[in-house]
Amino acid sequence: NAGVTQTPKFQVLKTGQSMTLQCAQDMNHEYMSWYRQDPGMGLRLIHYSVGAGITDQGEVPNGYNVSRSTTEDFPLRLLSAAPSQTSVYFCASSRGTSANTQYFGPGTRLTVL
Amino acid sequence: AQSVSQHNHHVILSEAASLELGCNYSYGGTVNLFWYVQYPGQHLQLLLKYFSGDPLVKGIKGFEAEFIKSKFSFNLRKPSVQWSDTAEYFCAVNSGAMIKAAGNKLTFGGGTRVLVKP
Repeated sequence: NAGVTQTPKFQVLKTGQSMTLQCAQDMNHEYMSWYRQDPGMGLRLIHYSVGAGITDQGEVPNGYNVSRSTTEDFPLRLLSAAPSQTSVYFCASSRGTSANTQYFGPGTRLTVL
Repeated sequence: AQSVSQHNHHVILSEAASLELGCNYSYGGTVNLFWYVQYPGQHLQLLLKYFSGDPLVKGIKGFEAEFIKSKFSFNLRKPSVQWSDTAEYFCAVNSGAMIKAAGNKLTFGGGTRVLVKP
């Protein structure tokens, strides 16, 4: 099992550009989520999905879109990048209910100039 | 809304010293509690979790944590640290209600960076 994979590992964007961060898992997990990690603020939930075709907003959803067409993939789209979106982005997956361990990907470090 | 507070942002200690990291949460209902660790250059991995039963939970690498419901706390401890424990530690909480539609949303604390000097 590869677990949770993310691409790219690093990305630099200019303000206003768009891009998609990729996330895939091979554990047949129902639940997938995106977090951003900023110094001193821990990880904050951006969007999550409880299954294919079902997504919902987390704590900091503005400026991001998601979709979940398959169980395995959960891409995160930045519509028009802003410097405030400079962060490290983590994708995670788990079985569906809240006592289950979440497995995290290696992260994508994004810089918006 | 849930919130999690980690009292120490940075901790520096020597090898063989004892470690205790504080975590307090704010939530009115049943909770599940987690400690995750992020070693330098690596992604987050689970140290331990509590969702029911014995409030003293043992995890990997000699770590343990105690859930004190009356204090809304879930402090992490290790009796004797090693240089390899240098990492950032995150406390996290989610609702204990097993509602699949709610998923597995975690609320994280701000993290504590621990540096163990050899």
